[in-house]
Amino acid sequence: GQQLNQSPQSMFIQEGEDVSMNCTSSSIFNTWLWYKQDPGEGPVLLIALYKAGELTSNGRLTAQFGITRKDSFLNISASIPSDVGIYFCARSGGSYIPTFGRGTSLIVHP
Amino acid sequence: DTEVTQTPKHLVMGMTNKKSLKCEQHMGHRAMYWYKQKAKKPPELMFVYSYEKLSINESVPSRFSPECPNSSLLNLHLHALQPEDSALYLCASSQRNMGRSPYNEQFFGPGTRLTVL
Repeated sequence: GQQLNQSPQSMFIQEGEDVSMNCTSSSIFNTWLWYKQDPGEGPVLLIALYKAGELTSNGRLTAQFGITRKDSFLNISASIPSDVGIYFCARSGGSYIPTFGRGTSLIVHP
Repeated sequence: DTEVTQTPKHLVMGMTNKKSLKCEQHMGHRAMYWYKQKAKKPPELMFVYSYEKLSINESVPSRFSPECPNSSLLNLHLHALQPEDSALYLCASSQRNMGRSPYNEQFFGPGTRLTVL
């Protein structure tokens, strides 16, 4: 099946720092989705990307659809304690099987 | 109403029990999904229903039986489960499941934490 390589696996940062994580694939995607999951809850959609090169922001979050259509990154600026959680990249749609990356676990120290 | 609801929140069952997980959405979405998620792992797709018809079954054992009674409801019937089936079961919905489109953005429920003894 299609593989999504997400990195880093975990991050331990101080409050106020910026965060960057990314996903890559060996095949071309038409859609990149970024989710956040809090413990014991379902994933919540943060940002959706549909065009190569597209750069989209949602508050302190910014995500980009790579120009090669094989990668995407998510940046979080000025992190706060409530940013703690697991962040997943994902793709879905059409004949594609919805697939998630392995996740990036974020810990923010006050 | 922009949420997906799941019941029960927690379920403990023996290996000989029969139980059902329920999922409901009132957003008019026509695609619904079941995922299984183990601790510290990403969600794994089990089933996709599109317009109330099963469109994807990811080689899930027959002890898991999905049902879509109508466009708002999705059930997962459980029978003769194994301890390794213990996991968080997530339901999701999207407007559709086709092509490159915002209609594919999935909304997830809070999940059912299943423990099989």
